Amino acid sequence: GAVVSQHPSRVICKSGTSVKIECRSLDFQATTMFWYRQFPKQSLMLMATSNEGSKATYEQGVEKDKFLINHASLTLSTLTVTSAHPEDSSFYICSATPKGPYNEQFFGPGTRLTVL
Amino acid sequence: DQQVKQNSPSLSVQEGRISILNCDYTNSMFDYFLWYKKYPAEGPTFLISISSIKDKNEDGRFTVFLNKSAKHLSLHIVPSQPGDSAVYFCAASDVNGNQFYFGTGTSLTVIP
Repeated sequence: GAVVSQHPSRVICKSGTSVKIECRSLDFQATTMFWYRQFPKQSLMLMATSNEGSKATYEQGVEKDKFLINHASLTLSTLTVTSAHPEDSSFYICSATPKGPYNEQFFGPGTRLTVL
Repeated sequence: DQQVKQNSPSLSVQEGRISILNCDYTNSMFDYFLWYKKYPAEGPTFLISISSIKDKNEDGRFTVFLNKSAKHLSLHIVPSQPGDSAVYFCAASDVNGNQFYFGTGTSLTVIP
């Protein structure tokens, strides 16, 4: 079955530094990848939609200069948290939709970011 | 390989009847299970959860059942309403919540 991986699974960084999170579709080509942030009551907030070869579409309230998204190929999207602050500490999850007529979403296992 | 599976990509139910959405998992270390509801162009919203020490959790019209021996959980919606039409994802995590594994979703349509 289709698998989406995220790397790293956990990262701890100092305030002010930048952190890159990778999302890969391992055995399918993903036309679209989504980035979510998980909040304490378990809801996932959609941050942005990333299409290969084009600029990501950010949801309202998400700073595009702070959360840089690059969808360089059909199997890889990256989220870079720039100048991280402690309030950016969270669980970030990506998902990917394969090419084809169906709208299945395959989720990655998530990345836990802790900013000190 | 998918550790959490939702084998029915879609389901249609008449308004007022019961909707049953199913989810299977493979990892016996999963300790906590969640259901999310997703409308188009929005992120999934948490709906209901259950820990492995229980076999049932109820919240209004929504009930989640867990069968650990079968590695199976289900979400029951009674009575179903047209506003319940959405995609439902199940997810599982270990006791520490360090990683979440999602199913691929089931699209529920409730017919008025």
